[in-house]
Amino acid sequence: DAGITQSPRYKITETGRQVTLMCHQTWSHSYMFWYRQDLGHGLRLIYYSAAADITDKGEVSDGYVVSRSKTENFPLTLESATRSQTSVYFCASSDLGGILSTQYFGPGTRLTVL
Amino acid sequence: KQEVTQIPAALSVPEGENLVLNCSFTDSAIYNLQWFRQDPGKGLTSLLLIQSSQREQTSGRLNASLDKSSGRSTLYIAASQPGDSATYLCAVVPPPGNTGKLIFGQGTTLQVKP
Repeated sequence: DAGITQSPRYKITETGRQVTLMCHQTWSHSYMFWYRQDLGHGLRLIYYSAAADITDKGEVSDGYVVSRSKTENFPLTLESATRSQTSVYFCASSDLGGILSTQYFGPGTRLTVL
Repeated sequence: KQEVTQIPAALSVPEGENLVLNCSFTDSAIYNLQWFRQDPGKGLTSLLLIQSSQREQTSGRLNASLDKSSGRSTLYIAASQPGDSATYLCAVVPPPGNTGKLIFGQGTTLQVKP
């Protein structure tokens, strides 16, 4: 009964490396989201997905790639990490996605890019 | 572009006090407004969701109101307790709404002193 989980919880990497953050939900929710949280900017949407194989960009998608081959998984990849991508990353899921439903958030991944 | 603002950024009150947190948004064309709670180092927990056709929602000691025409929402916390200490975030779902994408304010950090 894990709900929504993220791994790793903490990650340190170097500039230029590829990094993948994992997100897994057990509810079979259709919608999944990736946000980043930074001081001074709050939470900002990176990518979202309405269903398996359907993804779309959010407000701050440059430098990130997502995939959704299975409903329950929504990995986020930083193709070539930069220091500006140091942040806390949150994954969320929602059953209806729109007007009626709230989003359920994972515990976050704290990423540091050196 | 929709912007969400929360004032004040931080608030400290003695235990037992009733308090109001404020949220304002620039575009009244929203599908819903949601209040979340975030504890340090944790993910977000949904508190209340107000649909655009509603004026308020209540859950226990929490009451959230929505005035779309003025672009404002308030979260009222009755008889505050030290366990209410956390950061409170409001977020709106802008059109088209069916994606569920959230635009967040930067939050109000609440400290309730025993």
